[in-house]
Amino acid sequence: GENVEQHPSTLSVQEGDSAVIKCTYSDSASNYFPWYKQELGKRPQLIIDIRSNVGEKKDQRIAVTLNKTAKHFSLHITETQPEDSAVYFCAATLGGAQKLVFGQGTRLTINP
Amino acid sequence: GAVVSQHPSWVICKSGTSVKIECRSLDFQATTMFWYRQFPKQSLMLMATSNEGSKATYEQGVEKDKFLINHASLTLSTLTVTSAHPEDSSFYICSAYLAGSYNEQFFGPGTRLTVL
Repeated sequence: GENVEQHPSTLSVQEGDSAVIKCTYSDSASNYFPWYKQELGKRPQLIIDIRSNVGEKKDQRIAVTLNKTAKHFSLHITETQPEDSAVYFCAATLGGAQKLVFGQGTRLTINP
Repeated sequence: GAVVSQHPSWVICKSGTSVKIECRSLDFQATTMFWYRQFPKQSLMLMATSNEGSKATYEQGVEKDKFLINHASLTLSTLTVTSAHPEDSSFYICSAYLAGSYNEQFFGPGTRLTVL
């Protein structure tokens, strides 16, 4: 079936450095790619999203890039802070539907 | 705006009993809601799509007779775990789709189910 692969599964960076998380998807009809931050026991929180007609989107320290040809998209966090520590999930819609398929998640740890 | 609530936030039950979880869109109408299950340290797995006024659509491998979904109004979907067993213990999260929001889903706070 259609799936989303996410790497790495864990990522540890020094405070102030940048973090990059990458995802690939298999459904060429996917048109919406959100990124979520989830803290333990909490709901996923949308941090940024991108649509298939856009190649890059930035919101302060967070950016997402999309390469439709290669079917991959990436999350970039700059100037990382301890409060960025959490689990991050990428997701992609299945075809033109509203259903989301999630990546496996990345546990990001920011070391002070 | 676009707030989704879930009730209860946590529940403990005995094996063999049934548990109902409610998902409500508080300030918008949601014709479509989704139910996910998340085991510890794992990703969210879509269980089913709940459509107002019609039968839910279940993902492959999800038993529709065990996980009963009812979406009787535009603001409420319920998930009933029937004859729960310890392996059903998980974090259940719903989301609601807001028409016109370009596929953005709004997530509920989740329900932690523990089956003894």
